[in-house]
Amino acid sequence: GAGVSQTPSNKVTEKGKYVELRCDPISGHTALYWYRQSLGQGPEFLIYFQGTGAADDSGLPNDRFFAVRPEGSVSTLKIQRTERGDSAVYLCASRAGTYAYEQYFGPGTRLTVT
Amino acid sequence: GIQVEQSPPDLILQEGANSTLRCNFSDSVNNLQWFHQNPWGQLINLFYIPSGTKQNGRLSATTVATERYSLLYISSSQTTDSGVYFCAVGYNFGNEKLTFGTGTRLTIIP
Repeated sequence: GAGVSQTPSNKVTEKGKYVELRCDPISGHTALYWYRQSLGQGPEFLIYFQGTGAADDSGLPNDRFFAVRPEGSVSTLKIQRTERGDSAVYLCASRAGTYAYEQYFGPGTRLTVT
Repeated sequence: GIQVEQSPPDLILQEGANSTLRCNFSDSVNNLQWFHQNPWGQLINLFYIPSGTKQNGRLSATTVATERYSLLYISSSQTTDSGVYFCAVGYNFGNEKLTFGTGTRLTIIP
């Protein structure tokens, strides 16, 4: 079946602009995660959704970052007033449910802020 | 928070060689996954292995949870094994967010 998909695959934006990154999880997966990966590092947790609600947003670096999942499927990560330090690969992962523990990752969106 | 250390950071091997990658973690966990990040950046699931031993073809993994480490074994390496291998840990029955190590970069030379 189809895996996690993310769009766009690449996004170049100017400092100060607003961007939206989209994640389509595996069909039927109830849990969804956003991670951020900087060059040479492992992914770092940003936010976790169980269904429609953000169950843990402790990894969001500041209030310029926000994410939604209004219907419990597709999620959008929104970044306001982008800064050059936001440049990274943003990864989305999904997990089937309460007793399924493996996370499956999408290909990521590479964000470059110029 | 929990700390995850991977060793070695870099490994260069001839095709056909065997290798062992290590992951140490600082606290008790009940979720541990190994991933391979290919040169295109895709994270590929290798093992979900919070304890015990699993094998899948040329790859196998062992986690000793009581001693807080996991090992990934790659036998008869192929050039397609090149990439970065990540260990990630977490706690089930919570939010299950994963904490990743900094990875081991494996390069297989033909």
